[in-house]
Amino acid sequence: NAGVTQTPKFQVLKTGQSMTLQCAQDMNHEYMSWYRQDPGMGLRLIHYSVGAGITDQGEVPNGYNVSRSTTEDFPLRLLSAAPSQTSVYFCASSRDRGRNQPQHFGDGTRLSIL
Amino acid sequence: DAKTTQPNSMESNEEEPVHLPCNHSTISGTDYIHWYRQLPSQGPEYVIHGLTSNVNNRMASLAIAEDRKSSTLILHRATLRDAAVYYCIPTPLYNNNDMRFGAGTRLTVKP
Repeated sequence: NAGVTQTPKFQVLKTGQSMTLQCAQDMNHEYMSWYRQDPGMGLRLIHYSVGAGITDQGEVPNGYNVSRSTTEDFPLRLLSAAPSQTSVYFCASSRDRGRNQPQHFGDGTRLSIL
Repeated sequence: DAKTTQPNSMESNEEEPVHLPCNHSTISGTDYIHWYRQLPSQGPEYVIHGLTSNVNNRMASLAIAEDRKSSTLILHRATLRDAAVYYCIPTPLYNNNDMRFGAGTRLTVKP
């Protein structure tokens, strides 16, 4: 059982470039989310989805887009990368949004913007 | 959002118990208390959660104060693999998106 898979693991971009961070889960989870983690800080929620076709903004959504066309996949798009988006990005999933289901996290994508 | 206070760091010796405290004095009556940990270069990992009663699972025990203003994560026998950052997160019942990760406690386990 693979759980939550994130690709790529590492990426270096130039300012202004675009890219998509991939996230896939094989647990048939309804709820998926993206976080970013900056040095010495906790995780901050970027966007989340409670099911296919439904997405919403988290705490720090600016500069990021998401879509959820299938239950399994939840890609995160950077349209025009900025140095402030240099961070480690984590994707997570849980069975549903509520009833205190534990969240399962991927191992992260380490992104550097030059 | 409930504010949490955790020690920045703690040390333990291998095979000894570890008690990781968390203060959440502004917790709502329906917030569950979740604990996650993050090993180096990995994503956070669920440890345990509870509402009012003490909880046990294969990884740890969670002791919740009677007034729910604080809780303690107990690792019964620390191993080197338990070295990680531990996060205490009061979580609203139906809003996983309201999980706010603070800075956590960095646990060092000495052989």
